[in-house]
Amino acid sequence: QKEVEQNSGPLSVPEGAIASLNCTYSDRGSQSFFWYRQYSGKSPELIMFIYSNGDKEDGRFTAQLNKASQYVSLLIRDSQPSDSATYLCAVSKGSNYQLIWGAGTKLIIKP
Amino acid sequence: DGGITQSPKYLFRKEGQNVTLSCEQNLNHDAMYWYRQDPGQGLRLIYYSQIVNDFQKGDIAEGYSVSREKKESFPLTVTSAQKNPTAFYLCASSSTGFSSGGYTFGSGTRLTVV
Repeated sequence: QKEVEQNSGPLSVPEGAIASLNCTYSDRGSQSFFWYRQYSGKSPELIMFIYSNGDKEDGRFTAQLNKASQYVSLLIRDSQPSDSATYLCAVSKGSNYQLIWGAGTKLIIKP
Repeated sequence: DGGITQSPKYLFRKEGQNVTLSCEQNLNHDAMYWYRQDPGQGLRLIYYSQIVNDFQKGDIAEGYSVSREKKESFPLTVTSAQKNPTAFYLCASSSTGFSSGGYTFGSGTRLTVV
């Protein structure tokens, strides 16, 4: 079992719809959770981070964390073609600042 | 503006040649990292450093070397022992406290063997 798992995709979503990206992790002690977006040929950029159970909203993005079930998700509302990218989930090693990375989910928004 | 600068953006290496990738940060971060990314793949950790003059091997350190003589700088050397070095190399940095806010990445160096 990988430490951080994501569906590799591609996930295809119509423009204007909600895109839902999921990530599961194995370390019950993990305390920090991050979503990064990576456009083709570019470096990852931080979109959202979440530390507590529940939802955290920032514009069109919502991060959801459920520590009991060990999953974290990212919702993108009103999806735009510019949201087409690979989304990387990163989880802390327990309370440590070091991150373990998922392999990423490729998201395609169809006009 | 604070950030991480990687250079060069593109690098070509001949067989048997050592090359060095530069990474400089002005974020006052203690920790720095080097990752390798192959097409369609995730990030693989090469080396990381938590403090000046100290560094640890990651998952794929063979054929690579690093140094950390200054807090701001963490250069990566790809040696001739690395048989398949063609990849996208990413440098990152972070603070080391809880709620560190994640990693900040440089823009990457694309290395090609010619």
